Amino acid sequence: AQSVSQHNHHVILSEAASLELGCNYSYGGTVNLFWYVQYPGQHLQLLLKYFSGDPLVKGIKGFEAEFIKSKFSFNLRKPSVQWSDTAEYFCAVKPFYGKLTFGQGTILTVHP
Amino acid sequence: GAGVSQSPSNKVTEKGKDVELRCDPISGHTALYWYRQSLGQGLEFLIYFQGNSAPDKSGLPSDRFSAERTGGSVSTLTIQRTQQEDSAVYLCASSLALASGGAAYEQYFGPGTRLTVT
Repeated sequence: AQSVSQHNHHVILSEAASLELGCNYSYGGTVNLFWYVQYPGQHLQLLLKYFSGDPLVKGIKGFEAEFIKSKFSFNLRKPSVQWSDTAEYFCAVKPFYGKLTFGQGTILTVHP
Repeated sequence: GAGVSQSPSNKVTEKGKDVELRCDPISGHTALYWYRQSLGQGLEFLIYFQGNSAPDKSGLPSDRFSAERTGGSVSTLTIQRTQQEDSAVYLCASSLALASGGAAYEQYFGPGTRLTVT
């Protein structure tokens, strides 16, 4: 069965630090890739997505992610985090034929 | 426009009771999904509906769980004879459709229903 792994359960950073959250998946075929974010007390919302084309995708609030097909990875990055980035981040993968599968989530805490 | 709404926002029930959770998707969205979010477990797929097609129930954890979608809009998730392990946040999402040309449509999530079984 397909699976999505997020390497870190909880990441703690200071403001202005760089961020990279890992995401690996097990499915070998064509996939759609997503990062969702859940800010405290808010709904899950889409941060960015990859369907095809340029493997480096840019999302909202300065986030970007790079799809590396050979590594089955879709890591999320931000050069300089802010306190307002404190949230839980979910990687999700949808195979061409299949359902959207979410990772376990990574809690990001940014200290001012 | 209005987003996905869910009710109730919180539900506390006694073990063995039945509960119904409601989801109102975004108007015009033909696909509707239910997920369960448990602490540290991520989002667990339960069921999805797409238009008039038979729902994909492959994620329902037991026969105590069922869902229906009436008139292609509102959906109700029912849990019969609740158990303590059913305690979780139940999330509903909707999307314009499942996918087009291999590209999945974005899912829009509701605020969730926090279910506590005592």
